[in-house]
Amino acid sequence: DAGITQSPRHKVTETGTPVTLRCHQTENHRYMYWYRQDPGHGLRLIHYSYGVKDTDKGEVSDGYSVSRSKTEDFLLTLESATSSQTSVYFCAIKGTGGASPLHFGNGTRLTVT
Amino acid sequence: EDQVTQSPEALRLQEGESSSLNCSYTVSGLRGLFWYRQDPGKGPEFLFTLYSAGEEKEKERLKATLTKKESFLHITAPKPEDSATYLCAVQAGQGGSEKLVFGKGTKLTVNP
Repeated sequence: DAGITQSPRHKVTETGTPVTLRCHQTENHRYMYWYRQDPGHGLRLIHYSYGVKDTDKGEVSDGYSVSRSKTEDFLLTLESATSSQTSVYFCAIKGTGGASPLHFGNGTRLTVT
Repeated sequence: EDQVTQSPEALRLQEGESSSLNCSYTVSGLRGLFWYRQDPGKGPEFLFTLYSAGEEKEKERLKATLTKKESFLHITAPKPEDSATYLCAVQAGQGGSEKLVFGKGTKLTVNP
């Protein structure tokens, strides 16, 4: 295991409510990522972080915000959940720069009704 | 725009029947190509990194190869436990990006 914990593992919420997903790592890695995975689309990057308080957008960032106040925690917030945000969300970490692989958590399955 | 295309989308094999999965890519300066395995309900598990054309990596029944346009994941004499979705991803070199772009995966089923 790469020392990544995602919480919660499953969540059902209603349209319009705020939702926060948490990713916690014990590896002290610099880079952290949020992806969503949907049938027919594969893994798509939402946001990533390259250090405490340093974040950048991915290809599907609309409707999502992130925060990283500590090296070990990366939060993904849906300010007002919509049904199109029903998905499986994966957090990933990467150590050094350069071409090193991502290591993934086991995901959060989010259903927006 | 960086793109990764995997084929086939799904592949069914009999135990012991060798085959290959393809990952073709277009990227502005390849820094690395990655192969992952994903089991249902789990996150992707890292298998290999390939950095330059001609490179090969092996692990048990899997061998990954890389050319300037594509990568292959060869599966020799597969077993039912090799059933999973296999993902390919690339990291581009231009601009020093730390982002990876993923293909949609190949779902492999190995029947006993």
